[in-house]
Amino acid sequence: NAGVTQTPKFQVLKTGQSMTLQCAQDMNHNSMYWYRQDPGMGLRLIYYSASEGTTDKGEVPNGYNVSRLNKREFSLRLESAAPSQTSVYFCASSDRLNQPQHFGDGTRLSIL
Amino acid sequence: AQSVAQPEDQVNVAEGNPLTVKCTYSVSGNPYLFWYVQYPNRGLQFLLKYITGDNLVKGSYGFEAEFNKSQTSFHLKKPSALVSNSALYFCAVRADSTSGTYKYIFGTGTRLKVLA
Repeated sequence: NAGVTQTPKFQVLKTGQSMTLQCAQDMNHNSMYWYRQDPGMGLRLIYYSASEGTTDKGEVPNGYNVSRLNKREFSLRLESAAPSQTSVYFCASSDRLNQPQHFGDGTRLSIL
Repeated sequence: AQSVAQPEDQVNVAEGNPLTVKCTYSVSGNPYLFWYVQYPNRGLQFLLKYITGDNLVKGSYGFEAEFNKSQTSFHLKKPSALVSNSALYFCAVRADSTSGTYKYIFGTGTRLKVLA
């Protein structure tokens, strides 16, 4: 039972490069989320998708775009990477309202 | 503004002693509260939640949490700590967005260190 799968697990980019972080869940969940985790700041929501076909901005959306490709997949794109985007990125999904979120194991992204 | 606060960056406790990890919240309406645990190089794992009902909520791995509406707190507790409980703990609250959907706000995390 895979749960939430994130690829890649690690990535190093140069400033200005672009890349897409992939996330897929196999639990038939409606809602999916992207967070970034930085030391001392906890998890901050970047974007979320309450259901297939919808996306909303979270707390820190600048510099990112998302695509809810289908019910299973929710990708996060950095168009022009900046050193401030060095972080650990987590994808999560949840089913019905007030149910807990299930997290992937993260993508560790370094931007030089 | 809706928010969650975890006032302690780190909590140290001796193995076998009770542990408490503190969380306070600020929300409009009824609070929906969660605790998660994170081990090194892993994603967050759900421990327990409070939606409604009894103020003492029991969860996974012997953890429980006490909801206190008057103090707007949701502290995580365990009667007897284990070294394996050493990890990063996050409190989270459901927040209502202006678009009518829901999202979750996380605290900054508390690192629990259980000493043998």
